[in-house]
Amino acid sequence: EPEVTQTPSHQVTQMGQEVILRCVPISNHLYFYWYRQILGQKVEFLVSFYNNEISEKSEIFDDQFSVERPDGSNFTLKIRSTKLEDSAMYFCASSGNRGHEQYFGPGTRLTVT
Amino acid sequence: DQQVKQNSPSLSVQEGRISILNCDYTNSMFDYFLWYKKYPAEGPTFLISISSIKDKNEDGRFTVFLNKSAKHLSLHIVPSQPGDSAVYFCAASDGQNFVFGPGTRLSVLP
Repeated sequence: EPEVTQTPSHQVTQMGQEVILRCVPISNHLYFYWYRQILGQKVEFLVSFYNNEISEKSEIFDDQFSVERPDGSNFTLKIRSTKLEDSAMYFCASSGNRGHEQYFGPGTRLTVT
Repeated sequence: DQQVKQNSPSLSVQEGRISILNCDYTNSMFDYFLWYKKYPAEGPTFLISISSIKDKNEDGRFTVFLNKSAKHLSLHIVPSQPGDSAVYFCAASDGQNFVFGPGTRLSVLP
């Protein structure tokens, strides 16, 4: 069964450093998403991506964040100059249709020290 | 501004009985609703969805009910099994964004 994969599973970085979180969505999906979940809090939408451009983004997704689909399979989230409060689980998701069920990856745990 | 609310942070149910998880929303533009299950250290897993044109959708042990006038939906799991113990998230979509509720932790006791 096709699944969304994410690497790395755990990333530790120092405050101020840049990180890139990687995702491989399900191959025939067209819509891609990033979410985060701070420990003990709810899952929060960050950004959606379609046709090589951002379609929606939340208030959380400020200039510190960027997304890219560098090739036909990967979908990346870059966080520039990480802050302590960026520590969270970051989930990638993909869907075949806009607004329909999304399939989530296992997440990347980002720890900023 | 909580657009999607799950007012019960936790729920305990005996194995074999029915689990009922509730969700309320405020945005009348939401037209598609989903339930996800999440185990610790894993991503959310899609369970079941319902479009706003329906009031019920059933898939095996899982049934979702939608009351549009009350802006309320519920997930029924029957019979509940110990493996159902997880955090359940309600999510709503207006066709562009997904908004997740805070989750309800379900514990099914053997």
